Order: sequence, then C-alpha cells, then structure tokens
Amino acid sequence: KNQVEQSPQSLIILEGKNCTLQCNYTVSPFSNLRWYKQDTGRGPVSLTIMTFSENTKSNGRYTATLDADTKQSSLHITASQLSDSASYICVVSENTGGFKTIFGAGTRLFVKA
Amino acid sequence: GAGVSQSPSNKVTEKGKDVELRCDPISGHTALYWYRQSLGQGLEFLIYFQGNSAPDKSGLPSDRFSAERTGGSVSTLTIQRTQQEDSAVYLCASSGVAGGSYEQYFGPGTRLTVT
Repeated sequence: KNQVEQSPQSLIILEGKNCTLQCNYTVSPFSNLRWYKQDTGRGPVSLTIMTFSENTKSNGRYTATLDADTKQSSLHITASQLSDSASYICVVSENTGGFKTIFGAGTRLFVKA
Repeated sequence: GAGVSQSPSNKVTEKGKDVELRCDPISGHTALYWYRQSLGQGLEFLIYFQGNSAPDKSGLPSDRFSAERTGGSVSTLTIQRTQQEDSAVYLCASSGVAGGSYEQYFGPGTRLTVT
C-alpha cells in the first residue's frame, strides 16, 4: 500500500533555531514529492517540488532533500521565525499516467520566542 | 490574481441534514480536487475532475457523498444525511494540468461541524 509517513508528529523550537522534518514514503512508481506549509485555518501552500532526479531544492530558508533510493525526504528550516509555526505536509505523487497523490499526516511545528 | 475560493468558510449542521459545499477554482484551471482533513489527520482524497472526463470518485467514503462540476468551473460537494464523523475541513484545490505532476493550489477550506 502506498503510504507517506512523517516525523516527528509535532515539534517545538525556539525562534532562530534550525530544524529538520522527515518524510518516508513507499509510493511507487514515484513521480514527484512536494512539501506544503499549512497555516492554521488556511489551505496548504506549496514550498518545494522535486522530481526523481533532484536531490535538493531550496526556497528561501526552506531546503528540501530527496533520496529516491531510500525513499526519504527532509525539509530543513533555517533560522526559524515565529511565522514558521504551521503544519508541514509531505505529498508524494505516483507516476501512473493518471492522478494519485498521497498526503502525509504532517508535522506540526511550533516556534516560540 | 484570485486564488481558489470556497464557501461557506464554516458550516454547522444537524445530523441527518444535507449540506452543499462550493468551490471556485482558479480561472483556466482544468483540474479540480476535493479533499477532507479531519482534526490532526492528513488530507484524504475524495474526488477529482479533469476537463470533460468522467470524474475519479474513488475516494468518496460513501454514497452519501457526491460532487458536480458545472461548466468545467465551479464545483459543489454534497453530503446527504450528514453524520457526526463527517465533521472535518473540506479542502478544494485546482491545477492547470491533469495529473499529480502539477502544483495544486488550495482554497481556505470549509469547516463542517455536524452536531
């Protein structure tokens, strides 16, 4: 069964600190992997998207990595800000010619002053 | 430009009543998706529309759930005889090209509470 698992479930860090969120997946055949940020009460917003051949992609203070061999991805947040407090969702798409997108349950990040 | 909009933002209904949730996708986007997000859970795929093709309804949890997309634009998700377990945030997304390879833009969601 295709699955996307994220860890930790929740995380509390101090403002200015770095953190890394993990995503493991069993989706096959793989098409791409996205990280979304979802603020409370809002819809998810895309941070990064990576295909099979990409190992790392950055978007400002967010850097995503992908190891397609081990089927693992991480999202690293540098110099965290209070506004980074949100849920971060890992999303993996199948490559079957049709639509199939599997969402992880997300990591809830709390950044404290 | 305008993003994906959904209405209402919040809906409280009594068990057994029918509800309709509306989604206005980004203009020109051919693909539209409905998801459900229960408290503390990941997004659960419900249904997918692509152009004039038959929708992928494989995610609908029961026959109480149905969705339409009129004129290839606005979509309505209908839940009949609501149950308490239907309480969740219902998210709509649209994308410019079919399939999972293109970014989905999400609306703010409709929070449904069934009492």
